[in-house]
Formats: sequence, structure tokens, C-alpha cells
Amino acid sequence: GDSVTQMEGPVTLSEEAFLTINCTYTATGYPSLFWYVQYPGEGLQLLLKATKADDKGSNKGFEATYRKETTSFHLEKGSVQVSDSAVYFCALKDTGGFKTIFGAGTRLFVKA
Amino acid sequence: DAGVIQSPRHEVTEMGQEVTLRCKPISGHDYLFWYRQTMMRGLELLIYFNNNVPIDDSGMPEDRFSAKMPNASFSTLKIQPSEPRDSAVYFCASSKTGGASYNEQFFGPGTRLTVL
Repeated sequence: GDSVTQMEGPVTLSEEAFLTINCTYTATGYPSLFWYVQYPGEGLQLLLKATKADDKGSNKGFEATYRKETTSFHLEKGSVQVSDSAVYFCALKDTGGFKTIFGAGTRLFVKA
Repeated sequence: DAGVIQSPRHEVTEMGQEVTLRCKPISGHDYLFWYRQTMMRGLELLIYFNNNVPIDDSGMPEDRFSAKMPNASFSTLKIQPSEPRDSAVYFCASSKTGGASYNEQFFGPGTRLTVL
């Protein structure tokens, strides 16, 4: 079945450091890919998405490129801020499917 | 739009009691999902509805859990009887077929359940 694997956390960075959170997926069809973010005490919210191969999703300085050849959708940000501290979830939704498959989440701590 | 609304935000109850969690999806959304989040198991999909009809309840842990959606603007998740291992944060999410936000799920703020 479809699945998402993302790097285990926690990831601890200093402010202004470069961030990469790795995500790979397994899917039988042509899924849409997502990154959701969960701030403390809140529900998940969509950060960015990509619907086909080579698409780049971007939002709030975060970027991720849909790589079909490596089945990956790694999240990157050039300079993190303390306010980026949160849990990040990689997810996929297959074509014609109704469920979104979420990864286990990666907790990010950013120190001032 | 008010977003997905869940109530209560916090619930503390004793083992054996009935618990009812409530959700109001975003108006116009035709899919509704119930999730459970724990440190040990992460985010788990319990059940989802399309146009008020349950489509997949394979994630419901056992018969003590039940969910209903009597109309497009309201859903409940009931646990009877509750057990300490049911302690978790329960999220409701909704989504809409078609449109610019197609495929995106909108999550509520969650209900933190503690069963003593």
C-alpha cells in the first residue's frame, strides 16, 4: 500500500541555519504530495503541495520539489527562525483516492 | 470562514464513562475525517465520511468507538466505555472535492482527551 517515510527527529538547529527534512514515498499511482505543519497546541495546516513530477511547492520560505525518479519530496528552508519550531508532516494523496497518508512527523527545534 | 470547529477542547473523564467529541466541518466541504494523535502511534486515521456517509472505518480501534454524521454540518465521535489508553488528541478535518484547495485537508484545533 501507499506509504510515506520521513526522517526521524527531533532536529535542532540554530536560528538562520539551513533546514532539510527528508521525505520519501511509495505509491502505485501518481500522488499529490504535501507538507503539513503543526504548531504547539494546534491542528495540522497545509504548508505547501505539489501535484505532479518536477513541480515545486513553496510557502513562507519553505520549498519542496516533487522528484518522481527518486520518489522524494524533501522540505528545505534557507534560514530558519525560532517561529519555525513545530512538527512537520510529509503526506501523499493518490489519484482517485480519498485518504491522505501521513508520515510520522519530524519535530524541529530552532534555538535563538 | 470559521474553519473546522471542535468541542470540547479539553475533556477529562474517568474510566468507564461515555465520551462524545463534536465536530463542525467547513461549510461546503463534502469529506470529513477523524484522526487520533499520540506520542507512541503518531497520527492515525480512524474513520472518514463522504457526503455524510461513512466510507472507511477500518481505523476505528474497537467497538467501543463509534462515529456519526447526521448532517453535512455536524459529526460526533463517541467512546463508550472509555479507557485510559484512549487518552490522546482527537482531530477532525474536512476537505472539498474540486476547487483550488482540492486534496487539502483542513484540521480543527483538536480535543485533548484524558481518561483517568
